[in-house]
Amino acid sequence: KNEVEQSPQNLTAQEGEFITINCSYSVGISALHWLQQHPGGGIVSLFMLSSGKKKHGRLIATINIQEKHSSLHITASHPRDSAVYICAVGLIQGAQKLVFGQGTRLTINP
Amino acid sequence: NAGVTQTPKFQVLKTGQSMTLQCAQDMNHNSMYWYRQDPGMGLRLIYYSASEGTTDKGEVPNGYNVSRLNKREFSLRLESAAPSQTSVYFCASSVSVRMGYTFGSGTRLTVV
Repeated sequence: KNEVEQSPQNLTAQEGEFITINCSYSVGISALHWLQQHPGGGIVSLFMLSSGKKKHGRLIATINIQEKHSSLHITASHPRDSAVYICAVGLIQGAQKLVFGQGTRLTINP
Repeated sequence: NAGVTQTPKFQVLKTGQSMTLQCAQDMNHNSMYWYRQDPGMGLRLIYYSASEGTTDKGEVPNGYNVSRLNKREFSLRLESAAPSQTSVYFCASSVSVRMGYTFGSGTRLTVV
């Protein structure tokens, strides 16, 4: 079992829909990161969380430390949100290492 | 623009050839990392440098060497390329693992 599991693996939605991507982890973490990767493109850091909730524009990230679970929400989705979203955790043990989920491929149709 | 710069963006090598991937950051970050990304595998850490003058192995170090030349630069060397090293390579930097990461734009390497 991977230490970081994302769901769904693929998600297709219509423009304007509310999107939720989930991340569950099984290890003790110092922080959780959400990353975005556009097709053929580089990787951009969206959020880093150690507790609670963060919001940036239409993106919201939450984390529940007790349940070892995080969600990334996109409100009023737009085709330009189409990308792979990656969850990664910084381990308490073996600091300096991120463990990555396999990513969620999101496609927003106009 | 501030960030992480990787070169080259694309490279095709023959089996057995050597090459060095270059990475430089101008954010005064202490830590730098090399990852590879393969379909269905997610990102995997090859090597990292927690600070200038130190380097450590990650999950998949075999076939690679690194040099932290100074605080800005962290290079990845393939001494004898193999088809299994065909991948997309990303360099990243951070103040520390507890802070946000900045990634380079990636190097797409094909070994034939």
